[in-house]
Amino acid sequence: RKEVEQDPGPFNVPEGATVAFNCTYSNSASQSFFWYRQDCRKEPKLLMSVYSSGNEDGRFTAQLNRASQYISLLIRDSKLSDSATYLCVVNNQGGADGLTFGKGTHLIIQP
Amino acid sequence: SQTIHQWPATLVQPVGSPLSLECTVEGTSNPNLYWYRQAAGRGLQLLFYSVGIGQISSEVPQNLSASRPQDRQFILSSKKLLLSDSGFYLCAWSPLGVGTGELFFGEGSRLTVL
Repeated sequence: RKEVEQDPGPFNVPEGATVAFNCTYSNSASQSFFWYRQDCRKEPKLLMSVYSSGNEDGRFTAQLNRASQYISLLIRDSKLSDSATYLCVVNNQGGADGLTFGKGTHLIIQP
Repeated sequence: SQTIHQWPATLVQPVGSPLSLECTVEGTSNPNLYWYRQAAGRGLQLLFYSVGIGQISSEVPQNLSASRPQDRQFILSSKKLLLSDSGFYLCAWSPLGVGTGELFFGEGSRLTVL
């Protein structure tokens, strides 16, 4: 089983819609979780950390389900500028050297 | 504020040629430094990381090497490139001791080996 799995997409979503995607991880001892955003041919950038209680940042909501070993990202009122690849990242060792990146989910927001 | 720079941004190299990618960080001291590679259709793969000058840890055996001659400088090298070395190389830094897993990436170097 792969360590971090994501549906590669693409997810084609009309502007203004709500979209959600999940990421599953295999290591039950994983300690921290993140969503990164990567624009085409650009470097990844941290979008948000994922806390056990769930957290929200504007139109973005991240949730963690430790029992089922998945994290989710919900985007409300999607904008054209949300088009990007979203990378799920899991930290297994408590330090940045223990980060495992998913291959990403490609999101396309259509006008 | 902290910034990270890497260069060159794009390069095309023949098989068997050497490689040198350079990365520098400004505005912070004692950062953890990383080299990642992102090949087409694959996730980011950690190649090397460094917690201090001259301290290099390798995650994947390959024909690449890394060096950290100064606190905020990280270099990725190869003596002879292979076709399989093609990819998007990303340098990154994180604050030492924080352990949050938050990485700050450079703009990347896109390498094509022909």
